[in-house]
Amino acid sequence: GQNIDQPTEMTATEGAIVQINCTYQTSGFNGLFWYQQHAGEAPTFLSYNVLDGLEEKGRFSSFLSRSKGYSYLLLKELQMKDSASYLCAVLESNYQLIWGAGTKLIIKP
Amino acid sequence: IAGITQAPTSQILAAGRRMTLRCTQDMRHNAMYWYRQDLGLGLRLIHYSNTAGTTGKGEVPDGYSVSRANTDDFPLTLASAVPSQTSVYFCASSDSGSWDTQYFGPGTRLTVL
Repeated sequence: GQNIDQPTEMTATEGAIVQINCTYQTSGFNGLFWYQQHAGEAPTFLSYNVLDGLEEKGRFSSFLSRSKGYSYLLLKELQMKDSASYLCAVLESNYQLIWGAGTKLIIKP
Repeated sequence: IAGITQAPTSQILAAGRRMTLRCTQDMRHNAMYWYRQDLGLGLRLIHYSNTAGTTGKGEVPDGYSVSRANTDDFPLTLASAVPSQTSVYFCASSDSGSWDTQYFGPGTRLTVL
């Protein structure tokens, strides 16, 4: 069946680095998305990976290993404004998008 | 440019009442989606539309209906609201389909008593 696992909550310190993991078991694979969602707001797009490897975009990077069913989002030089939930979503082979429950990231000064 | 708007922002509704949540986008996107988001669960797709004039059922369609008369508007109707439909509802759109970046509206917080 379809399953996406992310840690429920993580805590990190301002200025540090944090890695948010996402593992998935889905019906085929056509890509993986990461979205950011601040409390009480709408999700916004961060990254999309379809091939294995690391994609860097400023302070944020996303990694994918299709053979392991695994992705992570790496956030560097953490800022207080990075406190948010991070949603992992997998595009299955039938183009249905399956969403994880999200990881709530708490940044402490 | 507004992007994607939803109305109302929040609503308290008596069980059994009919309710339509409105969604409008000005990006000329072909695909639109309705999700519900509940605490501890991922976004769940209710209905979608790949292009004006067509709609499809998502993961949790029961109790909801949609229409897509034109490109910009995608209303979601609860025919007879029940307390389990208490949730935050997000409308989203993307240029072509689910493989594209989705842009979300600000959400509607619905409480059914």
